[in-house]
Amino acid sequence: KAGVTQTPRYLIKTRGQQVTLSCSPISGHRSVSWYQQTPGQGLQFLFEYFSETQRNKGNFPGRFSGRQFSNSRSEMNVSTLELGDSALYLCASSLRWGSTEAFFGQGTRLTVV
Amino acid sequence: SQKIEQNSEALNIQEGKTATLTCNYTNYSPAYLQWYRQDPGRGPVFLLLIRENEKEKRKERLKVTFDTTLKQSLFHITASQPADSATYLCALDRETGNTPLVFGKGTRLSVIA
Repeated sequence: KAGVTQTPRYLIKTRGQQVTLSCSPISGHRSVSWYQQTPGQGLQFLFEYFSETQRNKGNFPGRFSGRQFSNSRSEMNVSTLELGDSALYLCASSLRWGSTEAFFGQGTRLTVV
Repeated sequence: SQKIEQNSEALNIQEGKTATLTCNYTNYSPAYLQWYRQDPGRGPVFLLLIRENEKEKRKERLKVTFDTTLKQSLFHITASQPADSATYLCALDRETGNTPLVFGKGTRLSVIA
C-alpha cells in the first residue's frame, strides 16, 4: 500500500510569508500528526487531527495551524514565518498511537530566509 | 514534567561489535515504547515496539529491553555494520493512551569499518 506522502519536499520562503504543507496518510488511517524537527530540539509534536477535528496540540504559537479533510488528508499552515521556523516538518499516521507503529512521510524541508 | 532522555548524542563503534543505546524517561508510565531509525533528510522508520509487560523483544540483529522499574529501555544492535549508521529514536505513548508519540532527541550511531 502507498505510504505517507508529503508535499512539497523542499520549500524556501521569506520571513513574514506564510506556507502550507500537505500530508496524505496511509489509506485507512484517520489520525494524522505533525512534528517539527530541528537539530537542537529533535522531534517536537505540533498537533494531531482525527476525523477532521484537532484532538491534541503541542506547545507552539498560534501561527501554526492545521486542518484535516474528510478523506483524512491534512494540511498545516504557518503564518508570518520567522527564521526559527526553518526545520524538517514531518507528518505521521497510525492506526492507534502507541500500540501500533507510526508511519512517517519523507518530510518537508522548510527554509526561511 | 515528563522527560525522555537518550544517553548520548553520538556513539561510534567498530564494525562487528554490539551497539547499545539507552533511553530513560521520568514522570511517565508509558504502556508502550518504540524505537525508530532515521537517516539524514528522511522520516523515521519503525523498528520495534515493546509493551510494558514485556521485558525483551528481538528482531533479527535487534534487541530491545524495557525496565519499568528503572524507567529505561536499552536498544542493542549485534554484529553491527556500517549500514546501521543512522540516528535512533525512542518514542513513548502518553499515559492517556492513543495519543501521538513523544520522542527522545535521538542517538547518532556511526559504525566504523
